[in-house]
Amino acid sequence: EDQVTQSPEALRLQEGESSSLNCSYTVSGLRGLFWYRQDPGKGPEFLFTLYSAGEEKEKERLKATLTKKESFLHITAPKPEDSATYLCAVFSGASKLTFGTGTRLQVTL
Amino acid sequence: DGGITQSPKYLFRKEGQNVTLSCEQNLNHDAMYWYRQDPGQGLRLIYYSQIVNDFQKGDIAEGYSVSREKKESFPLTVTSAQKNPTAFYLCASWSGDSSYNEQFFGPGTRLTVL
Repeated sequence: EDQVTQSPEALRLQEGESSSLNCSYTVSGLRGLFWYRQDPGKGPEFLFTLYSAGEEKEKERLKATLTKKESFLHITAPKPEDSATYLCAVFSGASKLTFGTGTRLQVTL
Repeated sequence: DGGITQSPKYLFRKEGQNVTLSCEQNLNHDAMYWYRQDPGQGLRLIYYSQIVNDFQKGDIAEGYSVSREKKESFPLTVTSAQKNPTAFYLCASWSGDSSYNEQFFGPGTRLTVL
């Protein structure tokens, strides 16, 4: 059974204070790892898909990386508008995703 | 615009009542999914369907039912057998694993039991 663990559960940063969110996973054969952003009361918004160890993708202040056991979402110089819950999910070919419980990020001025 | 719509946005249910949540997509995706989200528990899969007239139970299917009569539509019924239905419900669709594209999510329906 696929498992995804995200840490920390919650993170509070000051504007401009860079940090990383962690997603560790256990799957029988990883075919894709997804990162989503979710604002309160809304559906998740897609950010990145990573397919193989060593792969990296960037979007504005976000950079996602992947190893054989975990993925990191690096946030560089965050702004208050980056405050959200960040979800990680894995796909192993069973036609469904397995999600972690998310990291709630709050960025303050 | 292509996307997923869910209705209603807010739904209130009395004890013992069945309610149906609507999910429609115009992305021409084969697969559709229903998730339940509770605070601190992430997204849990209720049911999913990979083709019309076929669907599979997810991790928490008890007390729920679905149908897939059309490719575009995947309604979820929350029955009176679901003992704790108050939650945020999310519908998603996916083009399929052949392209590894992301799952697209709808805006969600918040169900509250009165």
